[in-house]
Amino acid sequence: QSALTQPASVSGSPGQSITISCTGTSSDVGSYNLVSWYQQHPDKAPKLMIYDVSQRPSGVPDRFSGSKSGNTASLTISGLQAEDEADYFCCSHGGSNTRAVFGGGTKLTVL
Amino acid sequence: QLQLQESGPGLVKSSETLSLTCTISGGAIRSDGYYWGWIRQPPGKGLEWIGTIYYSGSTYYNPSLKSRVTISVDTSKNQFSLKLSSVTAADTAVFYCVRLKSSAMVTIDHWGQGTLVTVSS
Repeated sequence: QSALTQPASVSGSPGQSITISCTGTSSDVGSYNLVSWYQQHPDKAPKLMIYDVSQRPSGVPDRFSGSKSGNTASLTISGLQAEDEADYFCCSHGGSNTRAVFGGGTKLTVL
Repeated sequence: QLQLQESGPGLVKSSETLSLTCTISGGAIRSDGYYWGWIRQPPGKGLEWIGTIYYSGSTYYNPSLKSRVTISVDTSKNQFSLKLSSVTAADTAVFYCVRLKSSAMVTIDHWGQGTLVTVSS
Protein backbone atom coordinates (compact mmCIF):
# COMPACT_ATOMS: atom_id res chain seq x y z
CA GLN A 1 0.00 0.00 0.00
CA SER A 2 1.33 3.43 -1.06
CA ALA A 3 1.89 6.03 1.62
CA LEU A 4 0.09 8.78 -0.31
CA THR A 5 -3.37 8.31 -1.80
CA GLN A 6 -4.14 9.31 -5.38
CA PRO A 7 -7.18 8.52 -7.52
CA ALA A 8 -6.47 5.63 -9.85
CA SER A 9 -7.67 7.51 -12.89
CA VAL A 10 -8.95 10.84 -14.11
CA SER A 11 -10.02 11.97 -17.56
CA GLY A 12 -10.80 15.12 -19.45
CA SER A 13 -11.34 16.45 -22.94
CA PRO A 14 -8.82 18.59 -24.82
CA GLY A 15 -8.91 22.14 -23.59
CA GLN A 16 -10.50 21.27 -20.25
CA SER A 17 -8.87 21.37 -16.81
CA ILE A 18 -8.37 18.47 -14.45
CA THR A 19 -7.08 18.17 -10.91
CA ILE A 20 -5.30 15.21 -9.36
CA SER A 21 -5.30 14.96 -5.59
CA CYS A 22 -2.61 13.48 -3.37
CA THR A 23 -3.64 12.83 0.21
CA GLY A 24 -1.17 12.14 2.96
CA THR A 25 -1.06 12.78 6.68
CA SER A 26 0.09 15.39 9.13
CA SER A 27 3.46 13.59 9.18
CA ASP A 28 4.21 14.13 5.52
CA VAL A 29 2.15 16.34 3.18
CA GLY A 30 0.68 18.31 6.05
CA SER A 31 4.02 19.06 7.70
CA TYR A 32 6.22 20.13 4.81
CA ASN A 33 5.97 22.30 1.72
CA LEU A 34 7.97 19.61 -0.02
CA VAL A 35 5.69 17.95 -2.55
CA SER A 36 6.70 17.13 -6.09
CA TRP A 37 4.82 15.76 -9.08
CA TYR A 38 6.11 13.51 -11.85
CA GLN A 39 4.75 12.70 -15.29
CA GLN A 40 5.47 9.28 -16.76
CA HIS A 41 4.67 8.21 -20.29
CA PRO A 42 4.59 4.47 -21.06
CA ASP A 43 8.01 2.82 -20.90
CA LYS A 44 9.69 6.12 -20.12
CA ALA A 45 11.37 7.47 -17.01
CA PRO A 46 9.35 9.91 -14.92
CA LYS A 47 9.78 13.64 -15.49
CA LEU A 48 9.67 16.33 -12.81
CA MET A 49 6.71 18.65 -13.36
CA ILE A 50 6.25 20.45 -10.02
CA TYR A 51 8.47 20.76 -6.93
CA ASP A 52 8.12 22.46 -3.55
CA VAL A 53 4.31 22.23 -3.92
CA SER A 54 3.93 24.84 -6.65
CA GLN A 55 7.24 25.51 -8.38
CA ARG A 56 7.71 24.64 -12.04
CA PRO A 57 11.09 23.60 -13.43
CA SER A 58 12.19 25.46 -16.52
CA GLY A 59 10.63 24.01 -19.64
CA VAL A 60 7.42 22.81 -17.97
CA PRO A 61 4.39 24.60 -19.44
CA ASP A 62 2.51 26.97 -17.14
CA ARG A 63 -0.59 24.86 -17.81
CA PHE A 64 0.73 22.72 -14.97
CA SER A 65 0.26 24.08 -11.45
CA GLY A 66 0.43 22.73 -7.94
CA SER A 67 -1.11 23.60 -4.61
CA LYS A 68 -1.62 22.23 -1.12
CA SER A 69 -4.26 22.45 1.57
CA GLY A 70 -3.79 20.64 4.84
CA ASN A 71 -2.81 17.04 4.19
CA THR A 72 -3.77 17.12 0.51
CA ALA A 73 -1.68 18.34 -2.41
CA SER A 74 -3.10 18.86 -5.87
CA LEU A 75 -1.85 19.01 -9.43
CA THR A 76 -3.96 20.96 -11.90
CA ILE A 77 -3.53 20.76 -15.64
CA SER A 78 -5.39 23.40 -17.61
CA GLY A 79 -5.94 23.45 -21.36
CA LEU A 80 -5.51 19.68 -21.60
CA GLN A 81 -3.57 18.43 -24.58
CA ALA A 82 -3.26 14.95 -26.02
CA GLU A 83 0.39 14.72 -24.97
CA ASP A 84 -0.64 15.20 -21.33
CA GLU A 85 -2.03 11.65 -21.32
CA ALA A 86 0.28 9.83 -18.93
CA ASP A 87 0.64 8.55 -15.38
CA TYR A 88 1.21 11.14 -12.66
CA PHE A 89 2.85 10.47 -9.30
CA CYS A 90 3.09 12.73 -6.28
CA CYS A 91 5.91 12.59 -3.77
CA SER A 92 6.24 14.13 -0.32
CA HIS A 93 8.95 14.49 2.26
CA GLY A 94 8.14 12.12 5.08
CA GLY A 95 10.45 13.27 7.82
CA SER A 96 13.93 12.32 8.95
CA ASN A 97 13.40 8.58 8.57
CA THR A 98 11.18 8.20 5.52
CA ARG A 99 12.66 10.92 3.40
CA ALA A 100 10.46 10.42 0.34
CA VAL A 101 7.04 8.81 0.05
CA PHE A 102 5.19 8.39 -3.23
CA GLY A 103 1.58 8.17 -4.21
CA GLY A 104 0.27 5.15 -6.09
CA GLY A 105 -0.10 7.09 -9.31
CA THR A 106 -2.99 8.44 -11.38
CA LYS A 107 -3.62 7.56 -15.01
CA LEU A 108 -4.76 10.61 -16.95
CA THR A 109 -6.77 9.92 -20.07
CA VAL A 110 -7.39 12.71 -22.58
CA LEU A 111 -10.66 11.83 -24.25
CA GLN B 1 23.91 17.75 -20.22
CA LEU B 2 23.75 15.48 -17.20
CA GLN B 3 23.05 11.84 -17.98
CA LEU B 4 22.65 8.84 -15.70
CA GLN B 5 23.05 5.25 -16.88
CA GLU B 6 22.23 2.13 -14.90
CA SER B 7 24.15 -1.08 -15.47
CA GLY B 8 24.04 -4.56 -14.00
CA PRO B 9 22.48 -8.00 -14.39
CA GLY B 10 18.90 -8.11 -15.61
CA LEU B 11 18.26 -11.44 -13.93
CA VAL B 12 18.99 -12.34 -10.32
CA LYS B 13 18.18 -15.55 -8.50
CA SER B 14 15.96 -15.55 -5.47
CA SER B 15 17.84 -15.16 -2.15
CA GLU B 16 20.89 -13.67 -3.88
CA THR B 17 22.10 -10.07 -3.98
CA LEU B 18 21.06 -7.59 -6.66
CA SER B 19 23.87 -5.24 -7.70
CA LEU B 20 23.53 -2.18 -9.91
CA THR B 21 25.83 0.69 -10.79
CA CYS B 22 24.94 4.18 -11.99
CA THR B 23 27.45 6.04 -14.13
CA ILE B 24 27.16 9.82 -14.28
CA SER B 25 28.21 11.74 -17.37
CA GLY B 26 28.02 15.43 -18.16
CA GLY B 27 28.35 16.35 -14.50
CA ALA B 28 30.20 15.58 -11.30
CA ILE B 29 29.02 13.37 -8.49
CA ARG B 30 30.82 15.79 -6.17
CA SER B 31 28.19 18.50 -6.65
CA ASP B 32 27.34 20.47 -3.55
CA GLY B 33 23.71 20.22 -2.57
CA TYR B 34 22.84 17.36 -4.89
CA TYR B 35 22.19 13.83 -3.75
CA TRP B 36 22.13 10.57 -5.71
CA GLY B 37 19.74 7.72 -5.25
CA TRP B 38 17.73 4.75 -6.39
CA ILE B 39 14.01 4.49 -7.11
CA ARG B 40 12.25 1.31 -8.17
CA GLN B 41 8.99 0.56 -9.93
CA PRO B 42 7.49 -2.95 -10.05
CA PRO B 43 5.86 -3.69 -13.41
CA GLY B 44 2.56 -1.84 -13.69
CA LYS B 45 2.89 -0.34 -10.22
CA GLY B 46 4.00 2.83 -8.48
CA LEU B 47 7.35 4.30 -7.50
CA GLU B 48 9.27 3.47 -4.34
CA TRP B 49 12.24 5.36 -2.93
CA ILE B 50 15.02 2.91 -2.04
CA GLY B 51 17.75 5.16 -0.73
CA THR B 52 20.03 8.12 -1.28
CA ILE B 53 23.72 8.96 -0.90
CA TYR B 54 25.74 12.16 -0.80
CA TYR B 55 29.19 12.24 -2.34
CA SER B 56 30.66 12.43 1.16
CA GLY B 57 29.26 8.95 1.78
CA SER B 58 26.28 9.87 3.97
CA THR B 59 23.41 7.49 3.28
CA TYR B 60 19.65 7.51 3.82
CA TYR B 61 17.53 4.40 3.34
CA ASN B 62 13.84 3.57 3.12
CA PRO B 63 13.06 2.06 6.54
CA SER B 64 11.18 -0.82 4.90
CA LEU B 65 14.30 -1.86 2.95
CA LYS B 66 17.05 -0.66 5.25
CA SER B 67 18.09 -4.10 6.50
CA ARG B 68 18.79 -5.28 2.94
CA VAL B 69 20.12 -2.16 1.17
CA THR B 70 23.60 -0.75 0.76
CA ILE B 71 24.35 2.28 -1.40
CA SER B 72 27.95 3.32 -1.99
CA VAL B 73 29.80 5.96 -3.98
CA ASP B 74 33.00 5.92 -6.02
CA THR B 75 33.92 9.53 -6.70
CA SER B 76 36.98 8.56 -8.74
CA LYS B 77 34.74 6.82 -11.26
CA ASN B 78 31.81 9.26 -10.96
CA GLN B 79 29.59 6.32 -10.03
CA PHE B 80 27.36 5.13 -7.25
CA SER B 81 26.02 1.66 -6.63
CA LEU B 82 23.14 -0.29 -5.12
CA LYS B 83 23.18 -3.66 -3.42
CA LEU B 84 19.92 -5.31 -2.37
CA SER B 85 20.34 -8.59 -0.55
CA SER B 86 18.09 -11.61 -0.08
CA VAL B 87 15.90 -10.73 -3.05
CA THR B 88 12.55 -12.34 -3.76
CA ALA B 89 10.10 -12.13 -6.65
CA ALA B 90 8.61 -9.04 -4.96
CA ASP B 91 11.84 -7.19 -5.75
CA THR B 92 11.31 -7.56 -9.51
CA ALA B 93 11.16 -4.00 -10.79
CA VAL B 94 12.57 -1.33 -13.05
CA PHE B 95 15.34 0.35 -11.09
CA TYR B 96 16.12 4.01 -11.76
CA CYS B 97 19.19 5.89 -10.64
CA VAL B 98 18.42 9.53 -9.99
CA ARG B 99 19.75 12.89 -8.90
CA LEU B 100 17.92 14.62 -6.04
CA LYS B 101 17.99 18.28 -5.13
CA SER B 102 18.61 18.88 -1.43
CA SER B 103 18.45 16.64 1.58
CA ALA B 104 14.66 16.60 1.50
CA MET B 105 15.06 14.07 -1.33
CA VAL B 106 11.71 14.84 -2.85
CA THR B 107 12.80 16.78 -5.93
CA ILE B 108 14.25 14.37 -8.50
CA ASP B 109 15.45 16.40 -11.42
CA HIS B 110 17.34 13.79 -13.40
CA TRP B 111 16.50 10.14 -14.02
CA GLY B 112 18.34 7.33 -15.71
CA GLN B 113 16.46 5.39 -18.37
CA GLY B 114 15.83 2.58 -15.92
CA THR B 115 16.83 -1.06 -15.98
CA LEU B 116 14.52 -4.02 -15.44
CA VAL B 117 15.73 -6.55 -12.91
CA THR B 118 13.82 -9.81 -12.72
CA VAL B 119 14.18 -12.12 -9.72
CA SER B 120 13.83 -15.74 -10.69
CA SER B 121 13.23 -18.73 -8.50
